[in-house]
Amino acid sequence: QSVLTQPPSVSAAPGQKVTISCSGSSSNIENNYVSWYQQFPGTAPQLLIYDNSKRPSGIPDRFSGSKSGTSATLGITGLQTGDEADYYCGTWDSSLNAGVFGGGTKLTVL
Amino acid sequence: QAQLVESGGGVVQPGRSLRLSCAASGFTFSSFGMHWVRQAPGKGLEWVAVISNDGSNQFYADSVKGRFTISRDNSKNTLYLQMNSVGADDTAVYYCAKDVGQGYRMEGVVLWGQGTLVTASS
Repeated sequence: QSVLTQPPSVSAAPGQKVTISCSGSSSNIENNYVSWYQQFPGTAPQLLIYDNSKRPSGIPDRFSGSKSGTSATLGITGLQTGDEADYYCGTWDSSLNAGVFGGGTKLTVL
Repeated sequence: QAQLVESGGGVVQPGRSLRLSCAASGFTFSSFGMHWVRQAPGKGLEWVAVISNDGSNQFYADSVKGRFTISRDNSKNTLYLQMNSVGADDTAVYYCAKDVGQGYRMEGVVLWGQGTLVTASS
């Protein structure tokens, strides 16, 4: 099991908004930066959000990140069929002294 | 532009060793923390190891601690992963990756290599 818990799958219609949750603990999410990644089959992951809510250059503002306590959330608005991918949260765990990823969430745009 | 290119993957017999390399270009390598992240076939991302920008700090996942060693040569802009006592559970695509920060606390992995496949098989 992953240290960070994500729903295995989420779905929504094109144009709608979806949120993906990432639940952790005081040793990871609450006291460290959270990042989010998008991965298409057969390709390397791409950073969507870092430092909880910052977007790297080139990432559209349809993608947003937030954190509250021991949980973090990725929001995607204006869903497109091209957003269908796996999404992962990641952070540092200060007790394990290790990086950790969530188990991943498969987004389906119906 | 910034780029990471891994090499050294392949088929390795269980119990043997393998060294992965990652050549960095297009950015100031010595200014950033670097990670190895792996992904077993059909599975999610698994963080493996991190080294700070100056090499003074290294940390490992429990699954590889004592068997794998991360290192870097800032004069050659190259990251390494020495893998010893490789087992079936180590079969995965291994990604070399650059953090947004200089430390080790995984602020965000902003640049990824294309990955190199390691297969432990007799």
